[in-house]
Amino acid sequence: DAKTTQPTSMDCAEGRAANLPCNHSTISGNEYVYWYRQIHSQGPQYIIHGLKNNETNEMASLIITEDRKSSTLILPHATLRDTAVYYCIVRVAGNNDMRFGAGTRLTVKP
Amino acid sequence: DTEVTQTPKHLVMGMTNKKSLKCEQHMGHRAMYWYKQKAKKPPELMFVYSYEKLSINESVPSRFSPECPNSSLLNLHLHALQPEDSALYLCASSQGSGEAGELFFGEGSRLTVL
Repeated sequence: DAKTTQPTSMDCAEGRAANLPCNHSTISGNEYVYWYRQIHSQGPQYIIHGLKNNETNEMASLIITEDRKSSTLILPHATLRDTAVYYCIVRVAGNNDMRFGAGTRLTVKP
Repeated sequence: DTEVTQTPKHLVMGMTNKKSLKCEQHMGHRAMYWYKQKAKKPPELMFVYSYEKLSINESVPSRFSPECPNSSLLNLHLHALQPEDSALYLCASSQGSGEAGELFFGEGSRLTVL
């Protein structure tokens, strides 16, 4: 059973914010939300993770709803190099069982 | 050093060959992973080693044999593969415990089985 649901694809204009949603309605209290991305022909790259508070780093912001059943990854100023498949994953911290769902293919257009 | 190094980058082998994929990290991570990725599909978890012991084996066929000689090295031995095993094989590592648990991935080894 898939733990997360993401749209198959999204487009975003260069320079605009990209907002990528993820539903994880069955998330447990001790499960974190992780985001990775995979640029064509490269290994996946870690972006950000959080438990229940919103998080921000140099790459992105993560907004988690109060009920923790969904989250949004925000790339504040998308560039062409942000074109990639973005994966939302939930798992227990310290648990080495990291599984990828289908992800969202984000295309940033000029 | 925040790199996971995989060799070879490309490998072509026949169905009767024996070959190995290698992965190395020097970040002091204690968990290492093998994933298989077919074109336009997400990575599929194959094996996880935690503190040099196999902790997850996703019912992978025995023609794939993982080995973790030490905490920095991870091998995937290949024998009698089938054409459908052609894929990108990704190695990753993580601290193995604690909250962060972010995985660092290598660039992958692209395998073609003829």
